[in-house]
Amino acid sequence: SAVISQKPSRDICQRGTSLTIQCQVDSQVTMMFWYRQQPGQSLTLIATANQGSEATYESGFVIDKFPISRPNLTFSTLTVSNMSPEDSSIYLCSVLPYSSGRYSTEEQFFGPGTRLTVL
Amino acid sequence: GQQVMQIPQYQHVQEGEDFTTYCNSSTTLSNIQWYKQRPGGHPVFLIQLVKSGEVKKQKRLTFQFGEAKKNSSLHITATQTTDVGTYFCAGSEYGNKLVFGAGTILRVKS
Repeated sequence: SAVISQKPSRDICQRGTSLTIQCQVDSQVTMMFWYRQQPGQSLTLIATANQGSEATYESGFVIDKFPISRPNLTFSTLTVSNMSPEDSSIYLCSVLPYSSGRYSTEEQFFGPGTRLTVL
Repeated sequence: GQQVMQIPQYQHVQEGEDFTTYCNSSTTLSNIQWYKQRPGGHPVFLIQLVKSGEVKKQKRLTFQFGEAKKNSSLHITATQTTDVGTYFCAGSEYGNKLVFGAGTILRVKS
């Protein structure tokens, strides 16, 4: 399994500012993902954070708006840039852990999420 | 692109009644996963189905994967108040990218 922490847990931000969310894992993981979950809605994949290279973004999400860093196998950040009220959401990171001598292809472990409100 | 539909959106049941949520993909899946999200919590993995026609059980929960690997269901027998939450299916066509269904919110009246 993997234990994931996210910072901050919640924030209230002003329109036009940027917020960087951190995701820290207690063990090395092969893959890290960033999701958005709007209130009462499902999870939408924003991007896959690749270690040592540029993130892979899903349709509708761009690097200028959601820059992602992944400097090592246990840490990633997601920045929500030039925020508007439409960015109010819960942002979750998830990982595929390395376990029992192999990389898991099964369950994703989710962090507790960052609840963002943009005024 | 790949779409995963899930019904119903909401289900309110009396404690002890059964509950079923259905998931349907627009494309053939390599695997399907189910997650549970408690109110205020984050999604927690329940199970993964890989084989055509596969059926797996976890105590009162029964998971099925269709023969065509395009649909799946989760059935809970004799619901309890601890079953409350949102149940998501998530399908993968290839690799590790998951597409989540809209989720079914389960409320249990005691």
